[in-house]
Amino acid sequence: EAGVAQSPRYKIIEKRQSVAFWCNPISGHATLYWYQQILGQGPKLLIQFQNNGVVDDSQLPKDRFSAERLKGVDSTLKIQPAKLEDSAVYLCASLNGGDTEAFFGQGTRLTVV
Amino acid sequence: AQKVTQAQTEISVVEKEDVTLDCVYETRDTTYYLFWYKQPPSGELVFLIRRNSFDEQNEISGRYSWNFQKSTSSFNFTITASQVVDSAVYFCALSEASAVRASGGTSYGKLTFGQGTILTVHP
Repeated sequence: EAGVAQSPRYKIIEKRQSVAFWCNPISGHATLYWYQQILGQGPKLLIQFQNNGVVDDSQLPKDRFSAERLKGVDSTLKIQPAKLEDSAVYLCASLNGGDTEAFFGQGTRLTVV
Repeated sequence: AQKVTQAQTEISVVEKEDVTLDCVYETRDTTYYLFWYKQPPSGELVFLIRRNSFDEQNEISGRYSWNFQKSTSSFNFTITASQVVDSAVYFCALSEASAVRASGGTSYGKLTFGQGTILTVHP
């Protein structure tokens, strides 16, 4: 079965610019997560979707970050405007309700200069 | 609040050596789930093992084994006869049952990760 797909793999932008990341979860997985992984740290949850609804976005910096999951399949994470400290790998993960582990994509490495 | 600590930042071993990765966690939940994930250079997190808090039986799966001790809040992971392909960053993670219930039973992916241990296996 195909894994979690993310694009782009790499992105370099200047501070104050906008950027968007895309995630296509494993087919049939209702739950989708976005994680932020700063270099040298473990991933940190940003937002969790159940189908097309937000379950938990308590750690999402809502002044600049937004995410949506239209139709309960693909998801987009946006940063506007970007700051230097947003440089990180953004990981998408999905999970089937009957599973106990999440499956992760390869991530998008964002560099803000 | 939950917390996961991996005190070892980097470990370097020679192929065929055994290596143990340490993990200590903090949680107020009485029911929780512990995980080990591997992150190779390609970037994705690969699930390795999961343990429920109510099951302290330690197991061996191929070259992997783990030692779960609730009394010391530790969940250590051992690779026996390490290989060069084991070189990666290893993360210990915790998922709390209260978070699972709050999310309608689908929150096993709502993980708190440690900071990771970089394992390098030399030929």
